[in-house]
Amino acid sequence: KAGVTQTPRYLIKTRGQQVTLSCSPISGHRSVSWYQQTPGQGLQFLFEYFSETQRNKGNFPGRFSGRQFSNSRSEMNVSTLELGDSALYLCASTGAGNSPLHFGNGTRLTVT
Amino acid sequence: SQQGEEDPQALSIQEGENATMNCSYKTSINNLQWYRQNSGRGLVHLILIRSNEREKHSGRLRVTLDTSKKSSSLLITASRAADTASYFCATDESGGGADGLTFGKGTHLIIQP
Repeated sequence: KAGVTQTPRYLIKTRGQQVTLSCSPISGHRSVSWYQQTPGQGLQFLFEYFSETQRNKGNFPGRFSGRQFSNSRSEMNVSTLELGDSALYLCASTGAGNSPLHFGNGTRLTVT
Repeated sequence: SQQGEEDPQALSIQEGENATMNCSYKTSINNLQWYRQNSGRGLVHLILIRSNEREKHSGRLRVTLDTSKKSSSLLITASRAADTASYFCATDESGGGADGLTFGKGTHLIIQP
């Protein structure tokens, strides 16, 4: 079974631009979560999608948004990028309930 | 917000020795999970222990959970160079707390050959 796939692997953007990151979950997994990882704040929950609906949302500004498609693939978008948005963005999928998360290798976003 | 706090922040031991990492958390939980992250990669799930369990084993891993002290420990026995990684505890909060898993800041483990 293929794992969670995130694209692109690396991204460099300029302040003020916007960015879209993509995540393909493990086949059959309907829940997709996004996390931001930085050296200072660690791993922070962004949002979770299940069956195309946002189920939970972390404490991030409205510039961070996401969506999920009918095939469970998910995208997250960050608008008006700030230097502090530089981070490793991790996507994770899970099958059901309180099952463990299966993470992708992340997208490393650098904002200059 | 961070709930789990790992201790120590960094640990360096010789290959073959045992490594112990601790995690403390603040609220009631459904379960506690441990993950490993190799540099620049995604997290890999290691083990899950439910709130009504006290100890769990998986291969060279042993996890304990003390809900009265809101703490957990991860023991890796007979360490190998390949165990070098960062280890995170993550809590699944009970009582309707639905902000995903809450991760600690991790313990960076270095196994010296």
